[in-house]
Amino acid sequence: DSGVTQTPKHLITATGQRVTLRCSPRSGDLSVYWYQQSLDQGLQFLIQYYNGEERAKGNILERFSAQQFPDLHSELNLSSLELGDSALYFCASSVDINTEAFFGQGTRLTVV
Amino acid sequence: AQSVTQPDIHITVSEGASLELRCNYSYGATPYLFWYVQSPGQGLQLLLKYFSGDTLVQGIKGFEAEFKRSQSSFNLRKPSVHWSDAAEYFCAVGAGYGGSQGNLIFGKGTKLSVKP
Repeated sequence: DSGVTQTPKHLITATGQRVTLRCSPRSGDLSVYWYQQSLDQGLQFLIQYYNGEERAKGNILERFSAQQFPDLHSELNLSSLELGDSALYFCASSVDINTEAFFGQGTRLTVV
Repeated sequence: AQSVTQPDIHITVSEGASLELRCNYSYGATPYLFWYVQSPGQGLQLLLKYFSGDTLVQGIKGFEAEFKRSQSSFNLRKPSVHWSDAAEYFCAVGAGYGGSQGNLIFGKGTKLSVKP
């Protein structure tokens, strides 16, 4: 157990809908990262937050957004969902911006 | 652009045999390099990492990796594979300014099967 908690573990929703994925980082970790793992694209970095502020952005679609709250948990919002958004979404956290990141077990999103 | 290539999509080895998983990277400066393992239905677990110094890095579960700058490679090795090593293995390079351990570029992965 990495100490990073992601909820829900599984999510099934219809095209066009909006979902929110939640991540609770390890206690004391200030940085949160979101990744998408799909069969087509593999593991792709989406976005990083550090202590509430966006730090780095990767291949995140405009339909997706994220935020990190004062209690340091983070949410990834996916809207206008398409079939191709079906994937495993990972959250990772680290103490600082340049320390080892620990991954959660992921949320599997299925869009039907 | 930074990239990571894992040439082998799937490898099968016999239990007790040695293992080498290949990884090549493209990065302008000295890279931060990582190997992660993902078991079915699980998250990613860090096996080992390289930042600088000794080019042979020891990790958990008996794994080691060797950084070869001249070949832009960071191959993962294990002298004797156990059935529990069956999983998918990902090589990654730290992206971002000054390197990063969380903002990573991953290879496509190598799935390891172990024959009894």
